[in-house]
Amino acid sequence: QVQLVQSGAEVKKPGASVKVSCKASGYTFIDYYMHWVRQAPGQGLEWVGMIKPSDGSTTYAQAFQGRVTITRDTSTSTVYMELSSLRADGAAIYYCARSLYYESSFDIWGQGTVVTVSS
Amino acid sequence: EIVLTQSPGTLSLSPGERATLSCRASQSVSNSYLAWYQQRPGQAPRLLIFGASYRATGIPDRFSTSGSGTDFTLTISRLEPEDVAVYYCQQFLGSPKTFGQGTKVEI
Repeated sequence: QVQLVQSGAEVKKPGASVKVSCKASGYTFIDYYMHWVRQAPGQGLEWVGMIKPSDGSTTYAQAFQGRVTITRDTSTSTVYMELSSLRADGAAIYYCARSLYYESSFDIWGQGTVVTVSS
Repeated sequence: EIVLTQSPGTLSLSPGERATLSCRASQSVSNSYLAWYQQRPGQAPRLLIFGASYRATGIPDRFSTSGSGTDFTLTISRLEPEDVAVYYCQQFLGSPKTFGQGTKVEI
């Protein structure tokens, strides 16, 4: 079945970087865009950015520009999100989600990865 | 950036009642570029409805949407206990893709 499986929880110090993975299965990896969405504790959903796996092109939300890098490995059908300069108040759950087109809804979501930032 | 504002913040109803959730956009958006998601407690969001009221796989027909321009509505015709969740609207026209702040439905 179609699924997105994310890497496990991370604990990082302020100022550090974190790299979260999202492994796709059950469909043709390069046929769908992949997005990352952030959810701070008790808060709503915030779009971080996206990648087009077929050519690796990316688009990032302005709030994360310069701090986030999204990459993909087509040989393993995996997308990565690396976020640098983590802030002390930057704890959140990060979800990956796919869309068929650049402008379409997110039909499958990963289970989420908890990132804790603590000194 | 298109800002989506959802209301009310919380909706407290009884089983079998009708729930009406609102999503207002800061500028006109075609309903082809609008979706609704459900996030149950402790779970990832899941797609409910996209485009002009197309329900995602497995979504019961008690969920429906309406609206156009800047005002959109998600209706749950008869609330079930499993509908307890936060509901988000999203627009995905261009970039950035934006979400409303969510409406929490309590039963």
